[in-house]
Amino acid sequence: AQTVTQSQPEMSVQEAETVTLSCTYDTSESNYYLFWYKQPPSRQMILVIRQEAYKQQNATENRFSVNFQKAAKSFSLKISDSQLGDTAMYFCAFMPTTTSGTYKYIFGTGTRLKVLA
Amino acid sequence: DARVTQTPRHKVTEMGQEVTMRCQPILGHNTVFWYRQTMMQGLELLAYFRNRAPLDDSGMPKDRFSAEMPDATLATLKIQPSEPRDSAVYFCASAFTGGWTEAFFGQGTRLTVV
Repeated sequence: AQTVTQSQPEMSVQEAETVTLSCTYDTSESNYYLFWYKQPPSRQMILVIRQEAYKQQNATENRFSVNFQKAAKSFSLKISDSQLGDTAMYFCAFMPTTTSGTYKYIFGTGTRLKVLA
Repeated sequence: DARVTQTPRHKVTEMGQEVTMRCQPILGHNTVFWYRQTMMQGLELLAYFRNRAPLDDSGMPKDRFSAEMPDATLATLKIQPSEPRDSAVYFCASAFTGGWTEAFFGQGTRLTVV
């Protein structure tokens, strides 16, 4: 079975500091997609960043970057220069490629991040 | 601005009543998902459809939950009869799978069964 594990239920960081959220996953697939979603208090799920497993280069979106370690099945999210608006629940998600015949996104249990002023 | 639309946003109902949640996916998306969010379980996949065909509903309690997609613009999730343990936020999401895409989420339905 494919699973996604986020081992940090809650984290906090000072404004302007850097924080890293952990995510590990388990799969026998060789190719797949990985995502980080943000859920602020509004409840809306917002895509933060995504990564294709066949790409070795780590994805970056402004202050957000990932550390993708395929052999270790690890996909951590680094937030630089944290802002108060980054306070949210963050979900890691996995989707196998379409060659598997499976199209579902599998989510971790989330990490609640609080940015402190 | 394309978005997934879910109704209702909030629902309070008594135990034993039928609950129907509706979702309008983004036009052109071929895959629709129903997720349930609880504090303990995070985001659980209940069911999903691709090209309107149900592909997986193994996450759904079969005796009381049902999901349908009567046409490409509407997906429904029904609970009958509802129970207090069904209280959660239910999300619909859509995506164009078969390529490189993320899932787009609706704003969710917060269901409270009393």
